[in-house]
Amino acid sequence: DSGVTQTPKHLITATGQRVTLRCSPRSGDLSVYWYQQSLDQGLQFLIQYYNGEERAKGNILERFSAQQFPDLHSELNLSSLELGDSALYFCASSALAGGQGLIAADTQYFGPGTRLTVL
Amino acid sequence: GEDVEQSLFLSVREGDSSVINCTYTDSSSTYLYWYKQEPGAGLQLLTYIFSNMDMKQDQRLTVLLNKKDKHLSLRIADTQTGDSAIYFCAERDNQGGKLIFGQGTELSVKP
Repeated sequence: DSGVTQTPKHLITATGQRVTLRCSPRSGDLSVYWYQQSLDQGLQFLIQYYNGEERAKGNILERFSAQQFPDLHSELNLSSLELGDSALYFCASSALAGGQGLIAADTQYFGPGTRLTVL
Repeated sequence: GEDVEQSLFLSVREGDSSVINCTYTDSSSTYLYWYKQEPGAGLQLLTYIFSNMDMKQDQRLTVLLNKKDKHLSLRIADTQTGDSAIYFCAERDNQGGKLIFGQGTELSVKP
């Protein structure tokens, strides 16, 4: 158990709908990262929050958004869903901001993922 | 740009050693990681290595880093059927900390 929790575990919805995925980081971790795992794209970084602020953005579609709340949990919102959005969505947490380079491994610990199926 | 490459499949016999290879492109990467993913599960951190190290050993796991060739390997000694999983190597982006993953190597351990 990594200490990172994600809900729900599975989500089945229809095209055009909107869903919210939730992540609670490990106790004491300030950074939350969101990744998407799909068969064709592999594991891709979407977005990172550090202590409530957006820190880095990756290949995240405009239809997707995220936020990190004062209690440090994070939500990933996916709207106008398309069939191609079906994937496993992981969040990971780390203690620091991640850009410390030489200072620390700032290891990312992953949650169990949310499997999204868009029909 | 940043890219991480792994071979897709590896099959070994129980009790043998497994070696999973990875190449990366970003020479400024300071940390490289190995994660394991079992079917239907999340990514479990196995180990990591700092870029000024050549080798790191952790029980049955040995990580070798050839920084000149940008080549990373994970050796699993005495491989067991429970080691069957997909293994991902990842480099860390030092600007924001995101991980750049390889495609994953599916390890199959036959009894």
